[in-house]
Amino acid sequence: ETGVTQTPRHLVMGMTNKKSLKCEQHLGHNAMYWYKQSAKKPLELMFVYSLEERVENNSVPSRFSPECPNSSHLFLHLHTLQPEDSALYLCASSRREGDEQFFGPGTRLTVL
Amino acid sequence: GNSVTQMEGPVTLSEEAFLTINCTYTATGYPSLFWYVQYPGEGLQLLLKATKADDKGSNKGFEATYRKETTSFHLEKGSVQVSDSAVYFCALRAQGAGGYNKLIFGAGTRLAVHP
Repeated sequence: ETGVTQTPRHLVMGMTNKKSLKCEQHLGHNAMYWYKQSAKKPLELMFVYSLEERVENNSVPSRFSPECPNSSHLFLHLHTLQPEDSALYLCASSRREGDEQFFGPGTRLTVL
Repeated sequence: GNSVTQMEGPVTLSEEAFLTINCTYTATGYPSLFWYVQYPGEGLQLLLKATKADDKGSNKGFEATYRKETTSFHLEKGSVQVSDSAVYFCALRAQGAGGYNKLIFGAGTRLAVHP
């Protein structure tokens, strides 16, 4: 049990679908992160939330929309994705931004 | 800017061999340094860390020493096991544009250990 859970673990969607990824942390942390991990590419930081406020958005396309309703939950809303968006999406949390991060198991997303 | 460079993989070793995975960094000041490990089908886990020059982080037989003079944080293990097969990521803590801190990861190095 890592303390960070992600659902679903696997998701297959068409380019016209709308879906959401969910992340939940039970560690009492104040910062949460979304990363994209593609084959043969470095880990890409997408969004950072600290105390429920977005503090970084790394030029991510608007078809990815994050939401952080409270310090324990983080969502990534997906719409009109492209096949190149297929990847493993990892959520992480830390006590404060920049501290040791605890990762969830990831959601394996396939866009058809 | 801040960056982390790791040796390209995959690294393929026989069980009980000695492991070194090189990591060098570019940063302003003296950042904290980390090694994370990702086992198949899982997220990343912190393996070890060092917060200042000459610190040695260690865990599960792995070690890495923070070398300021060579800006390096190489990961070593004296005798690897099949269960060590994973992807290893070196990372540093840096300050982002908005004044907050963030982790910058290397590209990862895949390790495959054979019996």
